[in-house]
Amino acid sequence: EIVLTQSPTTLSLSPGVRATLSCRASQSVGSYLAWYQQKPGQAPRLLVYDASNRATGIPARFSGSGSGTDFTLTISSLEPEDFAVYYCQQRSEWPLTFGGGTKVEIK
Amino acid sequence: EVQLVESGGGLVQPGGSLRLSCVASGFSFSIYGMHWVRQAPGEGLEWVSSITESGVTTYYADSVKGRLTTSRDNSQNTLHLQMNSLRAGDTAIYYCAKSHYCGGGYCSVFDFWGQGTLVTVSS
Repeated sequence: EIVLTQSPTTLSLSPGVRATLSCRASQSVGSYLAWYQQKPGQAPRLLVYDASNRATGIPARFSGSGSGTDFTLTISSLEPEDFAVYYCQQRSEWPLTFGGGTKVEIK
Repeated sequence: EVQLVESGGGLVQPGGSLRLSCVASGFSFSIYGMHWVRQAPGEGLEWVSSITESGVTTYYADSVKGRLTTSRDNSQNTLHLQMNSLRAGDTAIYYCAKSHYCGGGYCSVFDFWGQGTLVTVSS
């Protein structure tokens, strides 16, 4: 199965700064990578699909990039509501897999 | 408005069974693949199973293959997860999720999620 490794595990940042989250795949997934945000007690929310396509209603400060094995989710300027856990997920092959998550916390 | 409402979770002994349901509304259920994703307490997300729009084809994680069975009733807009031979490691919140349209067709990206139902396997 394809293993997705997210880094860092925790990112401590202040509101207003840029956040850069990484997801690395154990083999190429092409562009078939998605990003989700999850807040405590809530279901995950789709942010980006196919590496760089923002889902409906997602603010422009969220952007995804990458292909093959290396992907990045960038939040250009952190808003208070962006502090959460972020997961990547590949749909290149079965079984579908998720990364272990990156927690973005307030510094 | 898309809504997915799971039910059927609860406390069950190891080796027991449960049947989860997910009732969908606000979209044409019969043309979308559907999925189950779980999350153990304090842990990350784990994909469990997927089913095509017709219900003909299903996919499972190795950890649940042979014990969990996904099905759907398109006449009732309902997704099911039959859970047998449950283990402590199956303890989790179980979410149902809807496939996203990725441009070339419907794809295994989860664009709407239910609120989840908690399954606890313990003696």
